[in-house]
Amino acid sequence: AQSVSQHNHHVILSEAASLELGCNYSYGGTVNLFWYVQYPGQHLQLLLKYFSGDPLVKGIKGFEAEFIKSKFSFNLRKPSVQWSDTAEYFCAVNGYTGRRALTFGSGTRLQVQP
Amino acid sequence: KAGVTQTPRYLIKTRGQQVTLSCSPISGHRSVSWYQQTPGQGLQFLFEYFSETQRNKGNFPGRFSGRQFSNSRSEMNVSTLELGDSALYLCASSPEQPYEQYFGPGTRLTVT
Repeated sequence: AQSVSQHNHHVILSEAASLELGCNYSYGGTVNLFWYVQYPGQHLQLLLKYFSGDPLVKGIKGFEAEFIKSKFSFNLRKPSVQWSDTAEYFCAVNGYTGRRALTFGSGTRLQVQP
Repeated sequence: KAGVTQTPRYLIKTRGQQVTLSCSPISGHRSVSWYQQTPGQGLQFLFEYFSETQRNKGNFPGRFSGRQFSNSRSEMNVSTLELGDSALYLCASSPEQPYEQYFGPGTRLTVT
């Protein structure tokens, strides 16, 4: 079965600091990869996605992620975080042929201090 | 386009009762998936419906069931509620291609 690991459960940063959240998945086949964000009191929103092509993908609000196939990783980055980025971030994979369901990581709670 | 809507937003039920949750997908989306979110287990896939047929199912007991109507609206039902069913139930809709899911606000179910 496929699985997704997010190594950082709780990250605290100051505004303007750089962010990198790790995501590793276990599945040897073709994958679709996603990052979702859940702001306090709001629903899950799609931040960015990778289906194929350029392994560096850009999403909304200045976020980007890099797919490294050899490392089974899809890390999320942002050069300079803002207080408004305080949220929970989920990495998700859809890679099991014939099973169009997302497998989510456990989430990373990001707290940005002003 | 309007987003995914779910009703009701909050629900309190007693152990042993049953509950039905509703989801209206984004217009034009024919795939609807359901997820359960709890602090302990995180986000877990329940099932997916496409054109009124269940296409995929997660590892949940048979007490959890769903259906989809011809207008793509979906309902999920949980029978014989247990305390452990307390969770946020999320509905997501998706176009056929690309298969990216858009989530609704969820229904928070509390079982007492």
